[in-house]
Amino acid sequence: EAGVTQFPSHSVIEKGQTVTLRCDPISGHDNLYWYRRVMGKEIKFLLHFVKESKQDESGMPNNRFLAERTGGTYSTLKVQPAELEDSGVYFCASSPQRGAPEAFFGQGTRLTVV
Amino acid sequence: AQKITQTQPGMFVQEKEAVTLDCTYDTSDPSYGLFWYKQPSSGEMIFLIYQGSYDQQNATEGRYSLNFQKARKSANLVISASQLGDSAMYFCAMRDPGAGSYQLTFGKGTKLSVIP
Repeated sequence: EAGVTQFPSHSVIEKGQTVTLRCDPISGHDNLYWYRRVMGKEIKFLLHFVKESKQDESGMPNNRFLAERTGGTYSTLKVQPAELEDSGVYFCASSPQRGAPEAFFGQGTRLTVV
Repeated sequence: AQKITQTQPGMFVQEKEAVTLDCTYDTSDPSYGLFWYKQPSSGEMIFLIYQGSYDQQNATEGRYSLNFQKARKSANLVISASQLGDSAMYFCAMRDPGAGSYQLTFGKGTKLSVIP
């Protein structure tokens, strides 16, 4: 069974540009989460989807971040326009609606804004 | 307020020895879950072990065990018989449904280095 897959693994963009990160969760997992780790800080929650609905987006830093999960399958996280402080590692995780409590994480996307 | 505290930025352990990674947490909700994840240099976050607040026994998964002391609000990870492949960052995390969400709150992590 394929795990959580994130694309791209690395992205370097200039300040002011747009970047879109993609996450493919484990098949059948209704819950999808985005997290971010800025250098030297804790991993922070961004938002939580249940299927295609945003269950909790309390961690989204500002309106430059837009997350979507069309059809309840893969998700995208767009940053527009990117700022220097957006640099970090963006993790996606998924979990089933019922069953084991743990979330399964992808390998992350390292975003560098220059 | 910080909810998860990992006081050890870095730890060293001799191969085949046991090591304890500390984690304390803070919540006022009686129902919560505690997790440990491992992040090797390749970057992915690997789930290791889970402890529910109402679980009567300490969780164990192979060489990993969680020393859960509820009154002290601590959830230390014990790795027995360390292997070179255990060298990685280790994160303690808590899910606090009382906060109205299934989000995980993470500590800053402990970098474990296993010495041959």
